[in-house]
Amino acid sequence: AQSVTQLGSHVSVSEGALVLLRCNYSSSVPPYLFWYVQYPNQGLQLLLKYTTGATLVKGINGFEAEFKKSETSFHLTKPSAHMSDAAEYFCAVSGGTGNQFYFGTGTSLTVIP
Amino acid sequence: DTAVSQTPKYLVTQMGNDKSIKCEQNLGHDTMYWYKQDSKKFLKIMFSYNNKELIINETVPNRFSPKSPDKAHLNLHINSLELGDSAVYFCASSQGSGGTLNTGELFFGEGSRLTVL
Repeated sequence: AQSVTQLGSHVSVSEGALVLLRCNYSSSVPPYLFWYVQYPNQGLQLLLKYTTGATLVKGINGFEAEFKKSETSFHLTKPSAHMSDAAEYFCAVSGGTGNQFYFGTGTSLTVIP
Repeated sequence: DTAVSQTPKYLVTQMGNDKSIKCEQNLGHDTMYWYKQDSKKFLKIMFSYNNKELIINETVPNRFSPKSPDKAHLNLHINSLELGDSAVYFCASSQGSGGTLNTGELFFGEGSRLTVL
């Protein structure tokens, strides 16, 4: 079975500060991990994904995430927050049969000017 | 050209009515989904179809009935609407066959906001 835990339902950072959104997963099979972003009144858009290979994954808009198997984590980071990064962020894991994705409960990112 | 499109984007209706939401994808994917997002932004999968066949049917009231006329379309019909049905419903698609490991990402529509009065 797979599951995802996102620590912190709300995160606030100052513009220009480091963004760190935490995601831990549980998976009985090798996981495939994803981060999605949802801007207000929009659908979810893929930021980045880890399937195999390099554990540091770069995505759009300057975001990156590192797969750490020993810590069962896939935290999302960005060195310098922009106002436009304010959105809801979802971590997801897949690996089960039947194309099942498991989403975390989401983290709302606020960027303070 | 929108990859996954849903209509309508907004739907306001009275309790007890029946309504439908349509979804179409032009990505050539063979798997489509319906998700419900509640007011706390929590995403819950409702249904998944692969090549017009139902492969995931989570615990959803039988007032909700999905229909897939072909692999590019997955519609959602809701009977006897209740206040608790108010939510944003997202359609999504992915490339991958049912019963096998899906490594591809989900592509989402923009959502259909349903308000039941």
